[in-house]
Amino acid sequence: GAVVSQHPSWVICKSGTSVKIECRSLDFQATTMFWYRQFPKQSLMLMATSNEGSKATYEQGVEKDKFLINHASLTLSTLTVTSAHPEDSSFYICSARAAGVGGNEQFFGPGTRLTVL
Amino acid sequence: DAKTTQPPSMDCAEGRAANLPCNHSTISGNEYVYWYRQIHSQGPQYIIHGLKNNETNEMASLIITEDRKSSTLILPHATLRDTAVYYCIVEAAGNKLTFGGGTRVLVKP
Repeated sequence: GAVVSQHPSWVICKSGTSVKIECRSLDFQATTMFWYRQFPKQSLMLMATSNEGSKATYEQGVEKDKFLINHASLTLSTLTVTSAHPEDSSFYICSARAAGVGGNEQFFGPGTRLTVL
Repeated sequence: DAKTTQPPSMDCAEGRAANLPCNHSTISGNEYVYWYRQIHSQGPQYIIHGLKNNETNEMASLIITEDRKSSTLILPHATLRDTAVYYCIVEAAGNKLTFGGGTRVLVKP
């Protein structure tokens, strides 16, 4: 149980285009989902926290107009990287948390590797 | 400020126990100790967590000192597939997790 999926697993896009990444909790309802970014040889950096039905809370330094997060249902959150540039190339990882599913630990998706040309 | 301190890397022998230390001297009474690991190019995987008591599951054991200022994650019989970066995180239940540098564990045959 407690499986989180992401789609796509990798994407290559041209500079200036927008890319949408989906995060789904497959066998539980996620009241809270998190989006992280990871650059090569670095640790995970939290970008934002989203609760179902409300606006996401962004970490300091993360542009909310560039990284649009939607958490429309208890099983789906999306991250849209708008007007992507090469510096946005990174490994994007989501996680989901639901009380009652093994406690308050988070379950992570497999990640989406974004390459912006 | 980082809440935890871990050695940047360690090697261990396949089949032997791997003991991963973590210092968290400023831990608060309501904060848990969480352990996750990340195998290369994958999302992190939850391992175990605890508050005060030692915990054990099918993956590992977590030993927390009585003063809660440090803990040790024990992988009882390390395999090559346990090669990963292991993150020790201290946080109150329900709060967001902040990942530090972790310990890069290399299991050698």
